[in-house]
Amino acid sequence: AQTVTQSQPEMSVQEAETVTLSCTYDTSESDYYLFWYKQPPSRQMILVIRQEAYKQQNATENRFSVNFQKAAKSFSLKISDSQLGDAAMYFCAYRSEIVTGTASKLTFGTGTRLQVTL
Amino acid sequence: KAGVTQTPRYLIKTRGQQVTLSCSPISGHRSVSWYQQTPGQGLQFLFEYFSETQRNKGNFPGRFSGRQFSNSRSEMNVSTLELGDSALYLCASSLLGSLGRETQYFGPGTRLLVL
Repeated sequence: AQTVTQSQPEMSVQEAETVTLSCTYDTSESDYYLFWYKQPPSRQMILVIRQEAYKQQNATENRFSVNFQKAAKSFSLKISDSQLGDAAMYFCAYRSEIVTGTASKLTFGTGTRLQVTL
Repeated sequence: KAGVTQTPRYLIKTRGQQVTLSCSPISGHRSVSWYQQTPGQGLQFLFEYFSETQRNKGNFPGRFSGRQFSNSRSEMNVSTLELGDSALYLCASSLLGSLGRETQYFGPGTRLLVL
């Protein structure tokens, strides 16, 4: 079974600064997808960024980028130019690439609470 | 397109009762997954439905069940509620649900409190 570990329960960053959230995972599969989800106080889970394991190039979405190290099974999220609206719980998640006809669940880490200060 | 909707948003029940939660996926999405979120256990997968069939199931007791209708709307039911069932129940929809690269879109959740 796959596991996802987020070792930082809480992080803090000043507005306009950069912060990196860590995530490691364990799997024996070679094809899979990794995700970062954001959960603000409203509790709605919002997809921040996605990385395909077969791609060496790190994914980027505006101020959000990842550092994907497949051999090390590491998937960190970098938030640049942090904004007050970035304050939320951030979850790292894993999903298998599977054969059509079956279903694959998301396996989540325990989350990192990000505070953004003025 | 309208997003994933869940009803009700908040629910208070007492031990021993049963509860039914509803999820309407994004139009055109055929896969609906349910997750339970608690402070102690985090986010855990409950089950996934596709074309009115349960296709995948997590490690939850039989008190947790679900179903999906022909319009892809899904319900989950918890019978004989226990205090430990207090949680945020999240529903997520995706087009087919069978490809890892598909994005799962989450609803706002139903917060269940069992007294």
